[in-house]
Amino acid sequence: EVQLVESGGGLVQPGGSLRLSCAASGFTFSSYAMHWVRQAPGKGLEYVSAISSNGGSTYYANSVKGRFTISRDNSKNTLYLQMGSLRAEDMAVYYCARVGVPAAMLAWFDPWGQGTLVTVSS
Amino acid sequence: DIQMTQSPSSLSASVGDRVTITCQASQDISNYLNWYQQKPGKAPKLLIYDASNLETGVPSRFSGSGSGTDFTFTISSLQPEDIATYYCQQYDNLLITFGQGTRLEIK
Repeated sequence: EVQLVESGGGLVQPGGSLRLSCAASGFTFSSYAMHWVRQAPGKGLEYVSAISSNGGSTYYANSVKGRFTISRDNSKNTLYLQMGSLRAEDMAVYYCARVGVPAAMLAWFDPWGQGTLVTVSS
Repeated sequence: DIQMTQSPSSLSASVGDRVTITCQASQDISNYLNWYQQKPGKAPKLLIYDASNLETGVPSRFSGSGSGTDFTFTISSLQPEDIATYYCQQYDNLLITFGQGTRLEIK
């Protein structure tokens, strides 16, 4: 079964840092680009970041550029999102998602992880 | 960024009704348009990819159409388990954007 499991969310103070992880199983992780999408409480979906299958290309939404870093360890089948200088507006459920087509950077997202909640508050 | 205007923002319909949601892109995105279903407390689930392709395992009452800037998502006969919020998403470039969502309720 193709599965993505996020971890690492929690409570962090404004200005603080947090690293999210997304453990992948059931597919050849190194063949797929991966993405992060977030959802603030009661709000819609917001695209955050992307990384190519080999980690050589990355992309960030303007709202997180310079503060977040996406990375992956294909030997561990794990995707990461290092978040820094966190703000109240970063508070959200963070989902990792696999692109639907191997080797493509862009396509539909399938599957998604269950999400991990990041709370930014003093 | 490409803006996705999704309407309506909420919708109330009866079991068995035909339900239609539209999504309009601010520029031509060809058929790079996907539809997701999100139930409360759950992750989004892919229903339709590339505007009109039904994801494997998704009931055939769900369908999608359109290209360019105008897209439509249809549930042919609403079922109680279809209560959810639905999102469109474009991937014409890495500036991926989602529609605002349509909250679907049973009348």
